[in-house]
Amino acid sequence: DTAVSQTPKYLVTQMGNDKSIKCEQNLGHDTMYWYKQDSKKFLKIMFSYNNKELIINETVPNRFSPKSPDKAHLNLHINSLELGDSAVYFCASSRQGDAYNEQFFGPGTRLTVL
Amino acid sequence: GNSVTQMEGPVTLSEEAFLTINCTYTATGYPSLFWYVQYPGEGLQLLLKATKADDKGSNKGFEATYRKETTSFHLEKGSVQVSDSAVYFCALSDSSNTGKLIFGQGTTLQVKP
Repeated sequence: DTAVSQTPKYLVTQMGNDKSIKCEQNLGHDTMYWYKQDSKKFLKIMFSYNNKELIINETVPNRFSPKSPDKAHLNLHINSLELGDSAVYFCASSRQGDAYNEQFFGPGTRLTVL
Repeated sequence: GNSVTQMEGPVTLSEEAFLTINCTYTATGYPSLFWYVQYPGEGLQLLLKATKADDKGSNKGFEATYRKETTSFHLEKGSVQVSDSAVYFCALSDSSNTGKLIFGQGTTLQVKP
C-alpha cells in the first residue's frame, strides 16, 4: 500500500491555465505539507496543514491555494500558471507537526509549464 | 534566519570507498537535524536523525553526529555501494515546532563499480 500518493505524476500545461495536484496519505497522520523542488534540486516548503488547519504559509504567490478536505488529503490548486512554476512538487505527511517527527514524502508531481 | 549548507556535489566514488558529506547549519534555539535521501525518480526518505547535541543518528551503515560546538551534522559511511547513488539532503527542523524543514541544497553521490 502506498503511504503518500500524488496524482498526477506528470503534468504538462500551457501558461495561463489552472491546474490541481492531489495528495492522499493512508498513514493516519495529522500533518501534511507541500514542498517545491526546483531544477537545481533545491527544496522549499510551501504550506503545511494540521488536521485541516493551515499552519505554515510561506511566501508563496497567492495563485497557489492549498485545500484540505480532511486530514488525509491535501490538494494544491494553481491559477494562471507561469513558466517559473515548472518544478517537482512533493507532498509529505508526519504524525504531528513538530520538530521531531519523520516526514514521509510522496513520489512527486513534475509540472512543466510551456 | 535558519539555514543549512552542504558541500557542493557531485561526489563520485568507487565502490567500498569512504564517504563524507559535510553539512553545517545556522539556527536559533535547538533544532533537530536530519539526513534525507532521494533515489532517482522517487520522493525523499528519512535516512537518519538526531534531536539533541552529541546524539548520533545511524541507519544502513550511514552515521552522523550532532555537533553543537561546530554546528555540524556530517554524513559518513565506511564503505559505499553502487546502490547508495542518490541525492542526499541535510535538513533542520527549528524550535518553532511547526514541523517546517529547512533543507540544504542537496549533494549528488555517484558510486561507480
